[in-house]
Amino acid sequence: DTGVSQDPRHKITKRGQNVTFRCDPISEHNRLYWYRQTLGQGPEFLTYFQNEAQLEKSRLLSDRFSAERPKGSFSTLEIQRTEQGDSAMYLCASSSSRQGVWNSPLHFGNGTRLTVT
Amino acid sequence: AQKVTQAQTEISVVEKEDVTLDCVYETRDTTYYLFWYKQPPSGELVFLIRRNSFDEQNEISGRYSWNFQKSTSSFNFTITASQVVDSAVYFCALSYTGGFKTIFGAGTRLFVKA
Repeated sequence: DTGVSQDPRHKITKRGQNVTFRCDPISEHNRLYWYRQTLGQGPEFLTYFQNEAQLEKSRLLSDRFSAERPKGSFSTLEIQRTEQGDSAMYLCASSSSRQGVWNSPLHFGNGTRLTVT
Repeated sequence: AQKVTQAQTEISVVEKEDVTLDCVYETRDTTYYLFWYKQPPSGELVFLIRRNSFDEQNEISGRYSWNFQKSTSSFNFTITASQVVDSAVYFCALSYTGGFKTIFGAGTRLFVKA
């Protein structure tokens, strides 16, 4: 169990630029989640993958956001035409299929902190 | 609607004091799961405990204990004899069978002073 890995740890970009984040889940976990956390708040759900299928998307995920998990392993989250309001910590989490999808604890990565100037 | 409320934004205690973190949840589902996570200053959220809606038995793990009461929709977390290493933000969370997301409260920041 090497943990959930996210890259990069920090990203500073100018408004209007595109950014892409990567998440490598725990290898045997087939469930992968993206969350966003702003200062003083809890994580907010963005999207969920089971293997390569994206099964749920939050209404927070505007059309500027897209997530993929092409081979059911790593995932990418892309934000197009970034806005200052996109500044946040983007968290990836994975969970095991050995338990039910609702009762499996989430294993989080260290996150990618995005700053849009 | 599903919701988790942690009314305490920040709590400050002196080492060895007991402290209780409150969590109130809302859901219409009869089957749901409650969690506590810890986010230390290093930033990575760490799972602490899970409870399902059919199991109201309280749990103790070392200095940590959890009190689940369906009648008041609460899932409170108590740290006994707090230590400086307990300083962190603690999140209560809810998952339910109506969706795949886990809903987090806003968190309670705990400061334990030596």
